[in-house]
Amino acid sequence: DGGITQSPKYLFRKEGQNVTLSCEQNLNHDAMYWYRQDPGQGLRLIYYSQIVNDFQKGDIAEGYSVSREKKESFPLTVTSAQKNPTAFYLCASQIPGGNQPQHFGDGTRLSIL
Amino acid sequence: KQEVTQIPAALSVPEGENLVLNCSFTDSAIYNLQWFRQDPGKGLTSLLLIQSSQREQTSGRLNASLDKSSGRSTLYIAASQPGDSATYLCAVSPNYGGSQGNLIFGKGTKLSVKP
Repeated sequence: DGGITQSPKYLFRKEGQNVTLSCEQNLNHDAMYWYRQDPGQGLRLIYYSQIVNDFQKGDIAEGYSVSREKKESFPLTVTSAQKNPTAFYLCASQIPGGNQPQHFGDGTRLSIL
Repeated sequence: KQEVTQIPAALSVPEGENLVLNCSFTDSAIYNLQWFRQDPGKGLTSLLLIQSSQREQTSGRLNASLDKSSGRSTLYIAASQPGDSATYLCAVSPNYGGSQGNLIFGKGTKLSVKP
């Protein structure tokens, strides 16, 4: 079954700690995206990657980092520089070009201990 | 800067009613517009995608229209069912090189369909 897998479902971060959220897809999509969703808010773009070994900052990239070493994987690291990391994080993938819908994982909820 | 607004923020209707969700955007230079459904604690499911050259798209009981010149889209749900209860999100794709996938989202409309 093709899809996007995000793990873990819930994650807790201590002060000063970096944490990494996993996103894996088997849809053979070149483009992948990370969004942040806060309560009552729409999704905001953190980082995106249109091809392996290349990625770009989105609207709210400060305090986050990503890598794209494999087509299937696009992990997001929430660094200690991100002062308000509590949110729901969603990963998506898409066939490049923009005229196909984005496919989403089921999200990771990050909280502060 | 593109802004997407969805009205109403919440809507409660009895089962069987036809309903309309509204989405407006400030910059008409879009590549496409998408409607998504989000269940509590879950990711987004794509419902309909309307390309900028199209006026509407239909899937089952759902019909989405697009009026690019006025910056508006509507999602029409016919004969609503309790299973339609979810948050519906509208997103536009900007029409400039290389960024068509960078969706800009509204805050959503939370729909509750009562049995």
